[in-house]
Amino acid sequence: EAAVTQSPRSKVAVTGGKVTLSCHQTNNHDYMYWYRQDTGHGLRLIHYSYVADSTEKGDIPDGYKASRPSQENFSLILELASLSQTAVYFCASKRGTDNQAPLFGEGTRLSVL
Amino acid sequence: QQKVQQSPESLIVPEGGMASLNCTSSDRNVDYFWWYRQHSGKSPKMLMSIFSNGEKEEGRFTVHLNKASLHTSLHIRDSQPSDSALYLCAAANYGNEKITFGAGTKLTIKP
Repeated sequence: EAAVTQSPRSKVAVTGGKVTLSCHQTNNHDYMYWYRQDTGHGLRLIHYSYVADSTEKGDIPDGYKASRPSQENFSLILELASLSQTAVYFCASKRGTDNQAPLFGEGTRLSVL
Repeated sequence: QQKVQQSPESLIVPEGGMASLNCTSSDRNVDYFWWYRQHSGKSPKMLMSIFSNGEKEEGRFTVHLNKASLHTSLHIRDSQPSDSALYLCAAANYGNEKITFGAGTKLTIKP
């Protein structure tokens, strides 16, 4: 069964600290995405990738880095976490640039204090 | 940069009633629309997709697409309390990896 697994599921971080969010997919999908969701709102694209060792900036990349060391894994890195980065982060994967819908992981709730 | 606008922001519908949600893309080259449903505290799950002009029905859910106006709508008939959720519209172009979501419509079904 297709799956996208995120870890950790929740995290509390201190302002100025480094945070790494991880995503693993077993779907043999080429495309992976990181989205941010603020309470009660839509999803905003941070970074995405269509092949290992390559990442692209989304609509709100400032303050975030991404890493895609393999087809299955995609990480989001906050080098200097800030209060404004408190949100729920979703990872998604997609087969290709066709009409298949992205499949989402369960999300990581990040609180920066 | 493609923008996806959804309306209304929130909607209250009585149980058994009809809910109608709207979504418009700013990109004239949009090829795909997906509707997702997200229950509180959960991840988004794809509900309906539409790629061609016209209408598609699956059970209580009907989706319309008018490519000329870049507009899609989702209609839920015989609404149930379990339909209460955030409904997200997503759009993309063939050959473009970016997928843009709207801000969502919060639907509440009142028993």
